[in-house]
Amino acid sequence: QVQLQQSGPGLVKPSQTLSLTCAISGDSVSSNSAAWTWIRQSPSRGLEWLGRTYYRSKWYRDYAVSVKSRITINPDTSNNQFSLQLNSVTPEDTAVYYCARVSAAAGVFDYWGQGALVTVSS
Amino acid sequence: DIVMTQSPDSLAVSLGERATINCKSSQSLLYSSNNKNHLAWYQQKAGQPPKLLIYWASTRESGVPDRFSGSGSGTDFTLTISSLQAEDVAVYYCQQYYITPYTFGQGTKLEIK
Repeated sequence: QVQLQQSGPGLVKPSQTLSLTCAISGDSVSSNSAAWTWIRQSPSRGLEWLGRTYYRSKWYRDYAVSVKSRITINPDTSNNQFSLQLNSVTPEDTAVYYCARVSAAAGVFDYWGQGALVTVSS
Repeated sequence: DIVMTQSPDSLAVSLGERATINCKSSQSLLYSSNNKNHLAWYQQKAGQPPKLLIYWASTRESGVPDRFSGSGSGTDFTLTISSLQAEDVAVYYCQQYYITPYTFGQGTKLEIK
């Protein structure tokens, strides 16, 4: 059974960097079939896909245009986890952030982390 | 980006009755190479992450009760709950995975009448 455990601070100051980690059990971040993704949810923006990383003989990353200039998603093979960094945050980045696995069989999100409310405020 | 539009925004149905939620995409989700519709449905209960119910528009995820069914093709899709149970109270989302950025509908809130 795949489990995703999120960690990271719940409060970030404006202009600073939001950092979250998603620890994987029951699968590998280096899987040649799955992908690993970050999604956020807010009342104003609904569910918003932010980006993904995956391994197919080499590492790939792709990001939503809305955050592309500010986001980095990195795998950590030593600890079997992946991370989200979002730079230069504003109050509009306040949301519940989820990590999720993108299914190998179909490009759907079949396992999710528990979610983390991140508030951007001074 | 592909825009996903759900209707209605909210729905109240009596226990044991049928609930129907619609989802429309701004472009076809039918992928010619595999002849499959790249459309999924999720259920989100209060305080929980979304849960995958259906993918390929009509394939139930393992463990999902058979009262949940999906249908449709191209740009128009439907999630049907054949006999509403109390535990089905939730917000339901459709999601396209035809192309990135993956996008979701705005959600339909399902309540008991």
